[in-house]
Amino acid sequence: GENVEQHPSTLSVQEGDSAVIKCTYSDSASNYFPWYKQELGKRPQLIIDIRSNVGEKKDQRIAVTLNKTAKHFSLHITETQPEDSAVYFCAAAGGLNSGYSTLTFGKGTMLLVSP
Amino acid sequence: NAGVTQTPKFRILKIGQSMTLQCTQDMNHNYMYWYRQDPGMGLKLIYYSVGAGITDKGEVPNGYNVSRSTTEDFPLRLELAAPSQTSVYFCASSYSGAGDEQFFGPGTRLTVL
Repeated sequence: GENVEQHPSTLSVQEGDSAVIKCTYSDSASNYFPWYKQELGKRPQLIIDIRSNVGEKKDQRIAVTLNKTAKHFSLHITETQPEDSAVYFCAAAGGLNSGYSTLTFGKGTMLLVSP
Repeated sequence: NAGVTQTPKFRILKIGQSMTLQCTQDMNHNYMYWYRQDPGMGLKLIYYSVGAGITDKGEVPNGYNVSRSTTEDFPLRLELAAPSQTSVYFCASSYSGAGDEQFFGPGTRLTVL
């Protein structure tokens, strides 16, 4: 089945710096790549997603890039703020092995933004 | 519109006991999912359903059972609880499958002693 690797597992930055989280996937047929944010003790929530027909998508301070050839995608957060501190999960979906019904998640990145 | 709701929020079980985790959504979503989240291990899919009466196994189905008799409800049954099932369980739903946003419930924290 699909395998999603996520790096780094932890990331510490100073407020105002940029943060980059990277993921790779194994199933070349996957065509949907969401990112979820999970604050401590809360449920995961979608923050941005990208489909395979698009190379980059931006929403205010966050952006996602996709390289289908290399099978990797990245989350970029600019001008980080303390409220960005959370665990971020990447995921991939739409591959043949999942029947286009399920997401495979990475193990998560704990982002800590220090004031 | 409550979204996805789960009960209970917390539960402690003894080894060998059974219980049902409840999940309900009021968004008329076709797809529903059960995940478990272990520390540092991300979200692993246990079971999912693409509509009432249809369920399928995910990555880690052993020790669990599900049913989907209505669009709204997707209960997860644990039989003969084991310490390895200590985890946080999240239910999620989406309208049209994996290419659509999944909405998560608040989670159930289960401890098996």
